[in-house]
Amino acid sequence: SQQGEEDPQALSIQEGENATMNCSYKTSINNLQWYRQNSGRGLVHLILIRSNEREKHSGRLRVTLDTSKKSSSLLITASRAADTASYFCATDAAGTYKYIFGTGTRLKVLA
Amino acid sequence: GAVVSQHPSRVICKSGTSVKIECRSLDFQATTMFWYRQFPKKSLMLMATSNEGSKATYEQGVEKDKFLINHASLTLSTLTVTSAHPEDSSFYICSARAWVAGGFSYEQYFGPGTRLTVT
Repeated sequence: SQQGEEDPQALSIQEGENATMNCSYKTSINNLQWYRQNSGRGLVHLILIRSNEREKHSGRLRVTLDTSKKSSSLLITASRAADTASYFCATDAAGTYKYIFGTGTRLKVLA
Repeated sequence: GAVVSQHPSRVICKSGTSVKIECRSLDFQATTMFWYRQFPKKSLMLMATSNEGSKATYEQGVEKDKFLINHASLTLSTLTVTSAHPEDSSFYICSARAWVAGGFSYEQYFGPGTRLTVT
């Protein structure tokens, strides 16, 4: 069963703007990962954040984790047309070792 | 980073036939692999956890006899879709976690996926 819910389901922005996507989950987790998927392609790993971490950066990406609210956000700064893709969060619940995916956010960056 | 391959990348088969998809960890041992399926414009749904040397663990609602999983070695898991029907058409993705220092690695490594079309 799906554990994560993401919002918005779809997001359309202009190039250069920032894009923020949110992920909420239901149970305590060990880790949370964000992935990107271009249409019809495989997954690209973006960032992993552990349950004892609150924020991580990688290039133009910033991920936050609030375990008290069971939520995470992915911020893409200065977006580019090439960032157009679907973005998913995935969590592995405490006590398990399998990752469950959120519903995903479809991001469209307009040139 | 670790590499996971899948074969074939695309397959078209006729209704009633069976299709086997292979998932290999190329540079690490994967005692546990995972199989997901993804419908168009939808998220990935975990189907089952494949355990080397033992039976797979299926998620609720996934038919064991329909989706046969075999994990015969530390680097290979196979998913066989038996008696395929058009509704089985989907994108199937496998993943693996490495076993390091007595526990699973944090990262999960994904294969590139297999697109199955049943006509």
